[in-house]
Amino acid sequence: GAVVSQHPSRVICKSGTSVKIECRSLDFQATTMFWYRQFPKQSLMLMATSNEGSKATYEQGVEKDKFLINHASLTLSTLTVTSAHPEDSSFYICSASIQGNEQFFGPGTRLTVL
Amino acid sequence: DAKTTQPNSMESNEEEPVHLPCNHSTISGTDYIHWYRQLPSQGPEYVIHGLTSNVNNRMASLAIAEDRKSSTLILHRATLRDAAVYYCILRDVDYGNKLVFGAGTILRVKS
Repeated sequence: GAVVSQHPSRVICKSGTSVKIECRSLDFQATTMFWYRQFPKQSLMLMATSNEGSKATYEQGVEKDKFLINHASLTLSTLTVTSAHPEDSSFYICSASIQGNEQFFGPGTRLTVL
Repeated sequence: DAKTTQPNSMESNEEEPVHLPCNHSTISGTDYIHWYRQLPSQGPEYVIHGLTSNVNNRMASLAIAEDRKSSTLILHRATLRDAAVYYCILRDVDYGNKLVFGAGTILRVKS
C-alpha cells in the first residue's frame, strides 16, 4: 500500500518558536495532501487541504497565518506552526491522496509547546 | 457535510466476528462510504470503502444497505490487534474529497 511519512515524529519546543512538520508520500505522487489536528481523546479535525503548486484551502476557524502550509512538490508538504503556544500542543497528522481517491495517512507528529 | 452516527463503543471476543454499524441517513448519491481505523498515537489506517455494492478485502467486508442509509463493517475474526477506534466517513467527490471524521466507535477485543 501507499506509504506516507512524517518528520519529526515528536517535537518539544518553547513558546513563541516556530515548528516545521514534513509530510512525504514515499512511493506515489500525491496530488492532494491534507493536514489534521487531533487533541487527546478527540477525533481528527481537518485543518487544510493542499494541492501541489497552489495555495492551501483552510477550514473555517483555522488561522492561515499561524499554520503555514507549503506543497512544493507532488511528494512533499510542510506545515509550519508559527509562534507556537501551549494551546497548539496536539497530534498533527497529514494524509495524501492520488487523484482524489482514498487518503493514506502519515503516522502523526506529537507537538508539545512548553 | 453528510454526517454519520456510530455507537460510542463495542466489545468483542477474540476470534469472533464483529459487526460495526454506521447510520448515514442523509447520504447523497455521490458520497462514498469509507472506513478507517486508528490505533492509539498513530495515524488512521484505511480499511475499506464502497459506493453501492458490498465490498470485501483482506481486512474486512463492507455491507451497504440497499437504500444506502446505513452500512456495516464486518471483521470476520477479531484479534487483539483489531482493537482501535473505527471511523465511518462519507467522502463527497463533489467537495474536494474531504474526510470529516466523527467520534467513531471504540472497539475493545477481549482475549
